[in-house]
Amino acid sequence: AQSVTQLDSQVPVFEEAPVELRCNYSSSVSVYLFWYVQYPNQGLQLLLKYLSGSTLVESINGFEAEFNKSQTSFHLRKPSVHISDTAEYFCVTGGGNKLTFGTGTQLKVEL
Amino acid sequence: DVKVTQSSRYLVKRTGEKVFLECVQDMDHENMFWYRQDPGLGLRLIYFSYDVKMKEKGDIPEGYSVSREKKERFSLILESASTNQTSMYLCASSPPNGTGGTHNEQFFGPGTRLTVL
Repeated sequence: AQSVTQLDSQVPVFEEAPVELRCNYSSSVSVYLFWYVQYPNQGLQLLLKYLSGSTLVESINGFEAEFNKSQTSFHLRKPSVHISDTAEYFCVTGGGNKLTFGTGTQLKVEL
Repeated sequence: DVKVTQSSRYLVKRTGEKVFLECVQDMDHENMFWYRQDPGLGLRLIYFSYDVKMKEKGDIPEGYSVSREKKERFSLILESASTNQTSMYLCASSPPNGTGGTHNEQFFGPGTRLTVL
């Protein structure tokens, strides 16, 4: 069965600092990986996804994630965070017509 | 603009009550899903549906049932609510799957926070 592990439940960071949210996956079949974001009091929305091809994927708001097969990782990074990036981030794997969610990482950006 | 709506943002019910959570999507999506979200556990799939009148169990279906009589509407039913069903419930929809599995983005509603007393 496919699964993802998010290693940090909370990540506090100061504004304009870089951040990395860690995710490791476990799968014996083709891997499809996603990051979803949930802003306060809002529903989840897709941030970025890896299906195949280039191992580096980017979102429109400056986040990027790299699919690393040898380390079975799909870490999410941003070189300089903004206060508006405060949210909960979920690493997700897909397959068999279902999504499997990680436990989430709460990113708190402080001034 | 794509939209998934849920009937209530907050709901308070008593133990033993029958509870209906409604979800409507306006994107003509075939697939619809119900999740519950709990702190430290992420999202867990309760039930999903590929088409009208079709349903499949997710990872935690016990204590729940679903109904999909129309393509745009997917209802979650708690036959006899219990305190351990206090949670945030999220509905989602997606277009038909691509080859090889779930490639398509799921669109989520704002959630219903259910409290069972």
